[in-house]
Amino acid sequence: GQQLNQSPQSMFIQEGEDVSMNCTSSSIFNTWLWYKQDPGEGPVLLIALYKAGELTSNGRLTAQFGITRKDSFLNISASIPSDVGIYFCAGQVGAGGGADGLTFGKGTHLIIQP
Amino acid sequence: DTAVSQTPKYLVTQMGNDKSIKCEQNLGHDTMYWYKQDSKKFLKIMFSYNNKELIINETVPNRFSPKSPDKAHLNLHINSLELGDSAVYFCASSLGLEETQYFGPGTRLLVL
Repeated sequence: GQQLNQSPQSMFIQEGEDVSMNCTSSSIFNTWLWYKQDPGEGPVLLIALYKAGELTSNGRLTAQFGITRKDSFLNISASIPSDVGIYFCAGQVGAGGGADGLTFGKGTHLIIQP
Repeated sequence: DTAVSQTPKYLVTQMGNDKSIKCEQNLGHDTMYWYKQDSKKFLKIMFSYNNKELIINETVPNRFSPKSPDKAHLNLHINSLELGDSAVYFCASSLGLEETQYFGPGTRLLVL
């Protein structure tokens, strides 16, 4: 089946630093999604990308859908303590997240040192 | 107001037992899903239901059976529980087959 390679696996940064993580795939996805999971909670959608080359922002978060449709990155600017958590990329062959389910990356654990 | 809710949040049981996990969404969505998250936090799709019809079943053992009494509910029944079934199970829903998925808070299953 399809696999997503997400990196880095974990990040230890200082508060205020910028963060960058990415996902690559061996096959094409038509939708890329970024989720955040806090301890004891379910994944929460951060950004959805539906078009190759698309660059989308949500506050301090910026994500891009790679032009080849095989990769995506997520940047977080000026990190704050509440950014701590696990960030997952997810790819979807369908146009928006439908019947074939989401393929998830293995997550990036973000730890922020005050 | 909880959009996607699951019960129970924690479930501890013995090997060989049969258990059910319930999921409800109040978003008016047509499609619901079950995902399994293992101890390494890897999330994998198990099932999806669209208008009460099973759409996919990703190599999940037939001990797992999703049941949807109506569009707002998708329950997961597990027979003859095994140690390897221990994981966090997430329910999700989407407006339709082409829409973004929203996740519930998860059910933490521990099989002893």
